[in-house]
Amino acid sequence: QKEVEQNSGPLSVPEGAIASLNCTYSDRVSQSFFWYRQYSGKSPELIMSIYSNGDKEDGRFTAQLNKASQYVSLLIRDSQPSDSATYLCAVNSGGYQKVTFGTGTKLQVIP
Amino acid sequence: GAVVSQHPSRVICKSGTSVKIECRSLDFQATTMFWYRQFPKKSLMLMATSNEGSKATYEQGVEKDKFLINHASLTLSTLTVTSAHPEDSSFYICSASIAGDIRGEDTQYFGPGTRLTVL
Repeated sequence: QKEVEQNSGPLSVPEGAIASLNCTYSDRVSQSFFWYRQYSGKSPELIMSIYSNGDKEDGRFTAQLNKASQYVSLLIRDSQPSDSATYLCAVNSGGYQKVTFGTGTKLQVIP
Repeated sequence: GAVVSQHPSRVICKSGTSVKIECRSLDFQATTMFWYRQFPKKSLMLMATSNEGSKATYEQGVEKDKFLINHASLTLSTLTVTSAHPEDSSFYICSASIAGDIRGEDTQYFGPGTRLTVL
């Protein structure tokens, strides 16, 4: 079974710090990786997608992909209280346009 | 861009009634739409995958006769919860993938969700 693993948290970081969220996946042939943010009671919103090994930066967010080690991470610089949410990692599981979601990591940014 | 809407956002119904939820891609054509369910403090659970003009593919354990999915066009999919019961109360979320998206055809954009409460 294809799995996407995340630490459920909560991960607490002080305001202004770097938050590091990690995700591992089991399907070695996965090609597409996504990070979503989900506020309590709301639906997920796409933060970033990454397809190649290395880093991809978008504002305060950096996604890092290492296919050899089968992990993908999300760094949030200068964390803000508004970043407090659950972050979902999603991996294309090889099915037709279907992705597998992790259970999410809850992030708490402490003012 | 890539906006997905859902209607209604919240619905309360009596046990035994049917509820229809609409999912629309507003500014793009969606090759595929997905329906998820999420219980409080739990992860997303994929219910089914639908492609325009064809039958939906249901995940294991999801009753296709209870959760009817119609993907009538490239911008509209509907989920009908038939003969709803209290255990069907949940947060239902749809997502859509963009046809021909150069960033990756498997990027999913989520609707705002529909909170269903069955009394």
